[in-house]
Amino acid sequence: QKEVEQDPGPLSVPEGAIVSLNCTYSNSAFQYFMWYRQYSRKGPELLMYTYSSGNKEDGRFTAQVDKSSKYISLFIRDSQPSDSATYLCAMEGSGNQFYFGTGTSLTVIP
Amino acid sequence: DGGITQSPKYLFRKEGQNVTLSCEQNLNHDAMYWYRQDPGQGLRLIYYSQIVNDFQKGDIAEGYSVSREKKESFPLTVTSAQKNPTAFYLCASSARTGNTIYFGEGSWLTVV
Repeated sequence: QKEVEQDPGPLSVPEGAIVSLNCTYSNSAFQYFMWYRQYSRKGPELLMYTYSSGNKEDGRFTAQVDKSSKYISLFIRDSQPSDSATYLCAMEGSGNQFYFGTGTSLTVIP
Repeated sequence: DGGITQSPKYLFRKEGQNVTLSCEQNLNHDAMYWYRQDPGQGLRLIYYSQIVNDFQKGDIAEGYSVSREKKESFPLTVTSAQKNPTAFYLCASSARTGNTIYFGEGSWLTVV
């Protein structure tokens, strides 16, 4: 079983839609959770990170962690064509080790 | 601005040649990493270093070598022993107390 599972998509939505991106994980010791946005042929850019369970909001983006279910989500409100990218979830394990999902490809159609 | 600088952005290599990808960071991070990204396979860890003059193999270290002589620098050499080197290579760094990891813009290596 992989440490982190992420649906690769692709996901295609109309402009203005609410997007929900999700990851599941198997290691209950994970405490820090991250979401990255990666545009084509670029390095991943850190969007949000959260500690333990709960919600964190930043503009149109909300990160949600449910440790009891080992499930994390990223919500994008009022999606824009500029949000079209691949989104990676990540978690920190012990000893500065990081575990990544394979990424979900998102296209927002104008 | 603080960040991670990778060079070159694009590199072409003939079969049988070694190439070195540069990675420099000015974030004062202790830990540095090299990942390989292939379509549909996500990020795979090649090597990582938690401290100067020390590094460990990741999941796919065969055919690669690294050095960590300075805190700011973590170059990756792709040797001729790497059977399928054409890929997108990402350098990253993290503070010792961890929590988040930051990436450079990546280097595209093509074997011709």
